[in-house]
Amino acid sequence: EPEVTQTPSHQVTQMGQEVILRCVPISNHLYFYWYRQILGQKVEFLVSFYNNEISEKSEIFDDQFSVERPDGSNFTLKIRSTKLEDSAMYFCASSGGQGHGELFFGEGSRLTVL
Amino acid sequence: DAKTTQPTSMDCAEGRAANLPCNHSTISGNEYVYWYRQIHSQGPQYIIHGLKNNETNEMASLIITEDRKSSTLILPHATLRDTAVYYCIVRVAWSNDYKLSFGAGTTVTVRA
Repeated sequence: EPEVTQTPSHQVTQMGQEVILRCVPISNHLYFYWYRQILGQKVEFLVSFYNNEISEKSEIFDDQFSVERPDGSNFTLKIRSTKLEDSAMYFCASSGGQGHGELFFGEGSRLTVL
Repeated sequence: DAKTTQPTSMDCAEGRAANLPCNHSTISGNEYVYWYRQIHSQGPQYIIHGLKNNETNEMASLIITEDRKSSTLILPHATLRDTAVYYCIVRVAWSNDYKLSFGAGTTVTVRA
């Protein structure tokens, strides 16, 4: 069964460093998302991406965050200068848009900022 | 932007049916009810969705009241692996944005 894959599964970084989280969505999907979940809290929407541009972003997704789909298969989330409060699980999701648009999530990347 | 209300937690005996309620009294005519679950910090997993008719798939059944103001997710024979947080979400289908907004969900613990 096709799945969304994310790398790395866990990354530890120093505050102020740049981090790139990578996702390979399901191959024929058109809509892509990043969510995050701080430990013990809700799953929060960060950004949605369609047709090579951001379609919606939350208040969390400030200038420190960016997304791109550099090669038609990967979908990346970059955090330019990490803060302690960026420590969280980051989930990538994709949807084919067919049917009623079920989202398929990856297993997540755990980011720890020291 | 909480459109749904769910109990915070519930227990269920292994092998028994788990009935998870959800209240969505302000649901619009073009909004579907979706259920997802999250097993121990893994990525959320789609379970089922419906508009007004009852739905069943290999994972669960979804019963939506006639006025659509509430629904129940039924796990027919709960196993220990069904221990998870279950999210009830209402969302417009057939739109250009399939974003989901997660609430706190119901933490379901299946006990042997």
